[in-house]
Amino acid sequence: GAVVSQHPSWVICKSGTSVKIECRSLDFQATTMFWYRQFPKQSLMLMATSNEGSKATYEQGVEKDKFLINHASLTLSTLTVTSAHPEDSSFYICSADDRSNYGYTFGSGTRLTVV
Amino acid sequence: SQQGEEDPQALSIQEGENATMNCSYKTSINNLQWYRQNSGRGLVHLILIRSNEREKHSGRLRVTLDTSKKSSSLLITASRAADTASYFCATDANTGNQFYFGTGTSLTVIP
Repeated sequence: GAVVSQHPSWVICKSGTSVKIECRSLDFQATTMFWYRQFPKQSLMLMATSNEGSKATYEQGVEKDKFLINHASLTLSTLTVTSAHPEDSSFYICSADDRSNYGYTFGSGTRLTVV
Repeated sequence: SQQGEEDPQALSIQEGENATMNCSYKTSINNLQWYRQNSGRGLVHLILIRSNEREKHSGRLRVTLDTSKKSSSLLITASRAADTASYFCATDANTGNQFYFGTGTSLTVIP
């Protein structure tokens, strides 16, 4: 079946630094990928829709200058958390539509801790 | 917000019992999906039901959809300890391909 690989699976960074998270579709092409954020014991909140070759579409309340999304190819989308703060610590998950009509495929998530 | 709500928030049952989780949403949809998430892990797709379907089965899972009430239910029969996880419903807005997740139900199956 379709596989989405997310890297890294966990990262610890210092306040003020930037962190890049990669989301790759391994055996299919994804013109659209989605980035979610999940705080402990809460649901997934859609942050943005990543569109290959064009600008990402951000959900209301998500700062596009802080969460930079690049979808440069049909198999790779990246999320960069810029000038990270402790409140950005969260679980970030990406997903892609594998066109199988059986739902979207999710990555395994990235646990970000900002210290 | 388009996020749906699920109830109960938490459910604890004995192994072998059935577990039922409910999801309510706000806007018209094309599809509704159910996902499972083990603690600290990614999501696993369980089942997709389209807006013109009323019921769907997959193994021990049974999903119903009532578009007039904007609600769905997930039934897990003959539960196992390995079913312990959080379960989320996700709905797409009628006009787009983004999916929004419900608040989730944390299921604990006691051996």
